[in-house]
Amino acid sequence: AQKVTQAQTEISVVEKEDVTLDCVYETRDTTYYLFWYKQPPSGELVFLIRRNSFDEQNEISGRYSWNFQKSTSSFNFTITASQVVDSAVYFCALRGGTSYGKLTFGQGTILTVHP
Amino acid sequence: DTEVTQTPKHLVMGMTNKKSLKCEQHMGHRAMYWYKQKAKKPPELMFVYSYEKLSINESVPSRFSPECPNSSLLNLHLHALQPEDSALYLCASSQYRDSNQPQHFGDGTRLSIL
Repeated sequence: AQKVTQAQTEISVVEKEDVTLDCVYETRDTTYYLFWYKQPPSGELVFLIRRNSFDEQNEISGRYSWNFQKSTSSFNFTITASQVVDSAVYFCALRGGTSYGKLTFGQGTILTVHP
Repeated sequence: DTEVTQTPKHLVMGMTNKKSLKCEQHMGHRAMYWYKQKAKKPPELMFVYSYEKLSINESVPSRFSPECPNSSLLNLHLHALQPEDSALYLCASSQYRDSNQPQHFGDGTRLSIL
């Protein structure tokens, strides 16, 4: 069984603040893949990043950074200097190596960035 | 702009109607997916197609009938739906079902059942 937990249901920040979205996962697969998606009010799920279980390198892309720690089964997402356009629902998702393509999503974190 | 195109964007139908949702991708992906998403919830997988064959059916009621006519197209035929079926229906595709590549999603169809 696979499980993804996003403990923060809603986060509200003021523009230019840094914000970290937490993601904790459970899986018995030795090979697995982690993803973050952004869902703005329009509805489309926008892919942000993929991380393979055997690659623990952290990654930075502009104002976005991701911290993957296998030891704590966490894959956290930080937005630096947040902007109003970052307001959206963010989903962390897990696909196990034996899941036949099935993505397990966390419950999502609603991020609101106020001007 | 999304590379997975879904039509229509919005659909209102009665419980006795028959309608279809359409999804198209031209990225050469060989796996396609249907998800259902209720408000303030994560997407729930309904069906997975791999090389135009149904790979996973997550115990979806038979009033939902998927079809994959070719590698670029995925349909979801709807018949005798219930009010609780009102939701956002998302289509996604990925290079292969079992690859490490991400699923790419369309904008979705917002379905309302009267």
